[in-house]
Amino acid sequence: EAEVAQSPRYKITEKSQAVAFWCDPISGHATLYWYRQILGQGPELLVQFQDESVVDDSQLPKDRFSAERLKGVDSTLKIQPAELGDSAMYLCASSLSTHTYEQFFGPGTRLTVL
Amino acid sequence: AQTVTQSQPEMSVQEAETVTLSCTYDTSESDYYLFWYKQPPSRQMILVIRQEAYKQQNATENRFSVNFQKAAKSFSLKISDSQLGDAAMYFCAYVKAQGGSEKLVFGKGTKLTVNP
Repeated sequence: EAEVAQSPRYKITEKSQAVAFWCDPISGHATLYWYRQILGQGPELLVQFQDESVVDDSQLPKDRFSAERLKGVDSTLKIQPAELGDSAMYLCASSLSTHTYEQFFGPGTRLTVL
Repeated sequence: AQTVTQSQPEMSVQEAETVTLSCTYDTSESDYYLFWYKQPPSRQMILVIRQEAYKQQNATENRFSVNFQKAAKSFSLKISDSQLGDAAMYFCAYVKAQGGSEKLVFGKGTKLTVNP
């Protein structure tokens, strides 16, 4: 069964360092999402891509976060510099296209900032 | 802005019994979708069940069913014949249909414990 792949699964870094997360959506899925899930809360959208274009990045802290999906397939989320408050689970999800509404989630990357 | 509220941080159920998880939401939209997602410990989030707002009939998936009350903006999940594998965090989520952004808006989750 096709799944969303994410790496690394765990990342520990010190504040002010740069970190990057990678996501490979299910093959053929045009829409890709990055969510952040703080412990004890539900996920919140950071950015949504349709193919290689950003559809919604209104909640992405653009002074330190960036995301790209250059060829409309896999995607990278970067944080530079990392802050203590960035410690969270970063989830990637994909869906076949817009208006299908069912999102498939990857296992996530758990980030700890020391 | 749309909000989703899960008022039960934790619930427990005996194996083989039935449990209902509550969810309410707030929206001014008429066309939307509602979901229940399950997040087992250290495992990925998976879709349990979905409900289209335009459908009056409640969705069912095997042991999982919903009670969708559109006027009350309520969307509860019933798990029948609970199994040990049902233990997980359960998240209620909303998405506006036909909008530019299709972000899921999640509640804070309910931790379900299944006792043998």
